[in-house]
Amino acid sequence: QSALTQPASVSGSPGQSITISCTGTSSDVGGYNYVSWYQQHPGKAPKLMIYEVSNRPSGVPDRFSGSKSGNTASLTISGLQAEDEADYYCSSYTSSSTVVFGGGTKLTVL
Amino acid sequence: QVQLQESGPGLVKPSETLSLTCTVSGGSISSYYWSWIRQPPGKGLEWIGYIYYSGSTNYNPSLKSRVTISVDTSKNQFSLKLSSVTAADTAVYYCAREPHSVRGGSSGWFDYWGQGTLVTVSS
Repeated sequence: QSALTQPASVSGSPGQSITISCTGTSSDVGGYNYVSWYQQHPGKAPKLMIYEVSNRPSGVPDRFSGSKSGNTASLTISGLQAEDEADYYCSSYTSSSTVVFGGGTKLTVL
Repeated sequence: QVQLQESGPGLVKPSETLSLTCTVSGGSISSYYWSWIRQPPGKGLEWIGYIYYSGSTNYNPSLKSRVTISVDTSKNQFSLKLSSVTAADTAVYYCAREPHSVRGGSSGWFDYWGQGTLVTVSS
């Protein structure tokens, strides 16, 4: 299984909105509504931010939203804050009942 | 509050077997899928495999020949064994909980994670 494709880096200024894409195939992202997104600060474990494409766990700000079109999923962060600076990873359930992650995107808040 | 804690040796010699255990507290190991995920230094996440509390497993095809995941429901623990390790297996290893999907079966997303443990493969 090949890793999902994410941009290596994105950046934005405080208050702005950014979008991170996650591209897979019809065997993973495009075939199932089981895309999730994780935030990882340096030296910390990943934290679930979005599950099943667009659902937010309790406690995650509504500034974080997810969507999907075809084989590409997206994470949008609106009203960027300094504490949003982190690495972000997407993942998807696959047709083999396995899980595949994206390569990760480093978000810089300017 | 569910908590997961990885334990095991931080240093393993090449060609030997890496063994880690994840202890689940604050909740039962029953009725969930339990996964191992790793992250080489400075790199991305890689799913290793899962075990259901009943004992059924599924592994990453790229690691399948070397991986065994087992569960001990009486101790609320599950374990990872990775054989014939090389330097490429050096990574932070995380355990994580995977809820059921609404259709039944695994969901592919992880709501609780352990803090991670660094395992270095070196002689």
